[in-house]
Order: sequence, then C-alpha cells, then structure tokens
Amino acid sequence: EAQVTQNPRYLITVTGKKLTVTCSQNMNHEYMSWYRQDPGLGLRQIYYSMNVEVTDKGDVPEGYKVSRKEKRNFPLILESPSPNQTSLYFCASSRGGLYYEQYFGPGTRLTVT
Amino acid sequence: GIQVEQSPPDLILQEGANSTLRCNFSDSVNNLQWFHQNPWGQLINLFYIPSGTKQNGRLSATTVATERYSLLYISSSQTTDSGVYFCAVEGNRDDKIIFGKGTRLHILP
Repeated sequence: EAQVTQNPRYLITVTGKKLTVTCSQNMNHEYMSWYRQDPGLGLRQIYYSMNVEVTDKGDVPEGYKVSRKEKRNFPLILESPSPNQTSLYFCASSRGGLYYEQYFGPGTRLTVT
Repeated sequence: GIQVEQSPPDLILQEGANSTLRCNFSDSVNNLQWFHQNPWGQLINLFYIPSGTKQNGRLSATTVATERYSLLYISSSQTTDSGVYFCAVEGNRDDKIIFGKGTRLHILP
C-alpha cells in the first residue's frame, strides 16, 4: 500500500529539548516536503527536497532543520523547540512537486510547553 | 512570493445545495491543485488544474490562468463534503508550494 508515515503522531515536549519527527514514504518519490498547519493560516511549507541531498527552504524554515540522506526518509529536526512551534505538522511526497499527486502523512501534533 | 487568497473563509450550506469556492493568486503559476481536508485531518487531492476545466462527479474546477484565479464547484452537497478546501500553487520562479488559508465548508443534514 502506497503511504507516507510519520512518527510520532502526538508529542508534548518542553522548550529547548531537541526532537526529531520522522517521515518515510514507500513510493520511490523524488519530492518530499514538510508543512505546518495552524488555525486560520492554512498549510505553510517549511522545507522541501527535490531529491537525495537536495533541500530548500519553504516559506517558514526558521527554527527547523531537515536532511535527505535516503530517498525514502525526510526527518524534521527541531534543535531547540519553542512554544511558537506548537502546531500540526504534515509530511508529503510526490513524484515531482505540485505537478503530480501529493501524498500526505497522517500528521504529527506537537505541543511545546 | 506568490500570495494565494481563498474565499469565502467559511460557508454553511444545507445538504443538496451548490457552492462555488474561489482561489486568487498574485502571480503566474506553473501548477495548481485543489485539496480537501476531511474532519479527521486527512488531506486528499481533488484536482490538478493549472488551466482549463475538469470534472469529477459532483465536483468540477476551472482555472483562468490569465486572470489568476481558480474556482471549485460542488454540486448537490452531501454531509461528507464538509471539511476545509485548500488551493495550492507552485510558481515559476522556484519549487515552493504555497497554500491558501482554505475555505471551511459545513454541510448541514
């Protein structure tokens, strides 16, 4: 079954404690991206990756890091989380940007206290 | 960067009604898609439509690229149509994907 998986699904943490949200896809997709969704703001792209070892900033990259060492995985790293990063996070993949069908993960709800 | 505006922000309709959702974008785009986020948070592709018209059952979409807008039509609404509808674009200057803030649709039984 074609899918994008994210872990954890829910996370409550404290300010400053480094965390990683994993994202994995089993469709051999070139393009992967991370979004955050906040009430009234829609989805905002954090980072995207066109292929292995190629990453670029989206609209709201501050406070986040990503890496793309393998095609299937695209982890999101918060080195020093702050309360303003409390949000719902989605990972997505496609064969190549918005030209192709987007596959979204189930979301990770992060709370930073 | 490209600005994407969706209207209306909220819409409440009775089951069986028709609706039109609008997406305006501020610059030329290479790609445009419409998505539905159901009440459980799942995001689903509806249409890839950078220009022209497409139909899929009760849903159809039209994009007029030269005038920088897209419309999503929902006919004979059902309660399962409830949720948030997003328009997303990809510009021709980079590969960023920009979403609008969405239209929240409530279909009452």
